[in-house]
Amino acid sequence: QVQLVESGGGLAKPGGSLRLSCAASGFSFSEYYMTWIRQAPNKGLEWLSYIGETGTITYYSDSVKGRFTVSRDNHRNLLYLQMDALRVDDTAMYYCAAKEAGAGAEPVDYWGQGTLVTVSS
Amino acid sequence: DIQMTQSPSTLSASAGDRVIISCRASQSISDWLAWYQQKPGKVPKLLIYKASTLKDGVPSRFSGSGSGTEFTLTISSLQPDDFATYYCQQYYTYSYSFGQGTKLEIK
Repeated sequence: QVQLVESGGGLAKPGGSLRLSCAASGFSFSEYYMTWIRQAPNKGLEWLSYIGETGTITYYSDSVKGRFTVSRDNHRNLLYLQMDALRVDDTAMYYCAAKEAGAGAEPVDYWGQGTLVTVSS
Repeated sequence: DIQMTQSPSTLSASAGDRVIISCRASQSISDWLAWYQQKPGKVPKLLIYKASTLKDGVPSRFSGSGSGTEFTLTISSLQPDDFATYYCQQYYTYSYSFGQGTKLEIK
């Protein structure tokens, strides 16, 4: 069955780094574009980044541009989010989501269950 | 970036009520709008996409309308399971921005 499993969350200090991973299974990962979305505690959803199927096209929200980098390994069915210069307000649950390129009009086909990032001194 | 603004932020209603949640985009997004339902501790659930297309398996009491910059989500007769937070999301541009959410509470 389809699975997106995020990992790599945890506690980091302000100014520190974390790398999140999202392991995909049960679908043709290389045919899907991927997004990262986060949700701070008791707050709304915030779109963070997009990466195209081949990894050559990426987009970021203004809140993370220049600090976060999205990448993917289509051979290993893995999506990454390198998070640098972390701030306290980066504390959130981080979700990955997948959408099959060129198929259907939905914005997303699959969501992961999320990984929690806490930034605190 | 496109800003999405939902109203109201909180809505108190009773089972059986008809409720409408609004979402406004800062520029035209045609009909590239989705609605999600989220319950505490759960992943958002897609309800409607392309402004008015109901996702398979979503009850028909949910409906969406609008285009351009103004959109609405209507729940025709609230059921106990519908009390949750609702988000709109534009996907006209690659910054798939969300509205701030509308919390639907039991009156």
